[in-house]
Amino acid sequence: SVLLYQKPNRDICQSGTSLKIQCVADSQVVSMFWYQQFQEQSLMLMATANEGSEATYESGFTKDKFPISRPNLTFSTLTVNNARPGDSSIYFCSSRGGFDTEVFFGKGTRLTVV
Amino acid sequence: AQKVTQTQTSISVMEKTTVTMDCVYETQDSSYFLFWYKQTASGEIVFLIRQDSYKKENATVGHYSLNFQKPKSSIGLIITATQIEDSAVYFCAMREGTNAYKVIFGKGTHLHVLP
Repeated sequence: SVLLYQKPNRDICQSGTSLKIQCVADSQVVSMFWYQQFQEQSLMLMATANEGSEATYESGFTKDKFPISRPNLTFSTLTVNNARPGDSSIYFCSSRGGFDTEVFFGKGTRLTVV
Repeated sequence: AQKVTQTQTSISVMEKTTVTMDCVYETQDSSYFLFWYKQTASGEIVFLIRQDSYKKENATVGHYSLNFQKPKSSIGLIITATQIEDSAVYFCAMREGTNAYKVIFGKGTHLHVLP
């Protein structure tokens, strides 16, 4: 398995500003995934980030709005640009260890945009 | 396209009883992986159990077990001897064998275990 540490745990930001969410893994991992979860809803995969290459975004998510960096095998950041109240949700980073089939999750970042 | 469907929005059971949560999936792949996760009241998402499509035996971990019915594309989660702390939202999820990255989730079932 892999342990993932996210920060901040929660944040409140003003509309139109940007917020960075960091994710650190306790071991080197090939891929990191970012999920969005609205209140009482399912988890939606936003993008997949591999080291040294551009993130791959799922339908409905763009790199202009949610740029992701993956500078090394243990770290990733998700930025929420031009935040809007509709972006208020929980953001999770996720990954799987070398021999794992299942993915594991960080504790999430609860974002409120006012 | 892959799809995971959980039709039970909420279930309430008495403590120490057995509960089954339903999940059906759609995939074109002959190889795939099915998972169940638990999201606690604090928001933490915990991996519970996995079923590989090529395995005939139902997976079991602790008081969690699966009812894998491949012809029906169904993967039910069974929790025996439920405890109050099992109260949570349970998500069914799937990853296709040909896609190493994409795990998709159902909408979740909220389990309430009553004393």
